[in-house]
Amino acid sequence: GENVEQHPSTLSVQEGDSAVIKCTYSDSASNYFPWYKQELGKGPQLIIDIRSNVGEKKDQRIAVTLNKTAKHFSLHITETQPEDSAVYFCAAPTPGTASKLTFGTGTRLQVTL
Amino acid sequence: DAGVIQSPRHEVTEMGQEVTLRCKPISGHNSLFWYRQTMMRGLELLIYFNNNVPIDDSGMPEDRFSAKMPNASFSTLKIQPSEPRDSAVYFCASSLAIRSEAFFGQGTRLTVV
Repeated sequence: GENVEQHPSTLSVQEGDSAVIKCTYSDSASNYFPWYKQELGKGPQLIIDIRSNVGEKKDQRIAVTLNKTAKHFSLHITETQPEDSAVYFCAAPTPGTASKLTFGTGTRLQVTL
Repeated sequence: DAGVIQSPRHEVTEMGQEVTLRCKPISGHNSLFWYRQTMMRGLELLIYFNNNVPIDDSGMPEDRFSAKMPNASFSTLKIQPSEPRDSAVYFCASSLAIRSEAFFGQGTRLTVV
């Protein structure tokens, strides 16, 4: 099965600064990497994902990069805002699926004013 | 669409009682997942269904846990008898197919006293 490690576990940045969260995975056959944002009292919500045929994907202030050789992928949030404060999870699926996910342990991001 | 709907949102029960959690997936989705979230273990996949058929229940912790999906629009997760260590947030998620991204419900916070 897949093993996903995520760092850091907590991250505090000032509003306007960038935040980077990193994950590694173990199964080289994995080809889909989603990132979820979980706000207090809510379920995880997909914010961005990347497939293994590209190295980077951007959506406004968030971007994800993938290094298949090193088996790691990262979430980048630029110009952080207080509403970015949440717990972020990376995930990797069982090869051959996109939905049977193994989650990282989560990063609690705090954006301070 | 209203998204994945779970009920109840909160459940407090005494040890030894039966607990039933309910989930209505997004209409048209044919894969359904039950996850459990705790501080100690993070997000864990318990079981998933494809076209109403249980595919992988290797994450179900004990025989006290059981899940059913009698039709495409409804699933239950039952714990009988419940124990304090079952206290967690239980999430249901659905996807269009096993190769598509998963959408999570708001979760059920279970407390067993």
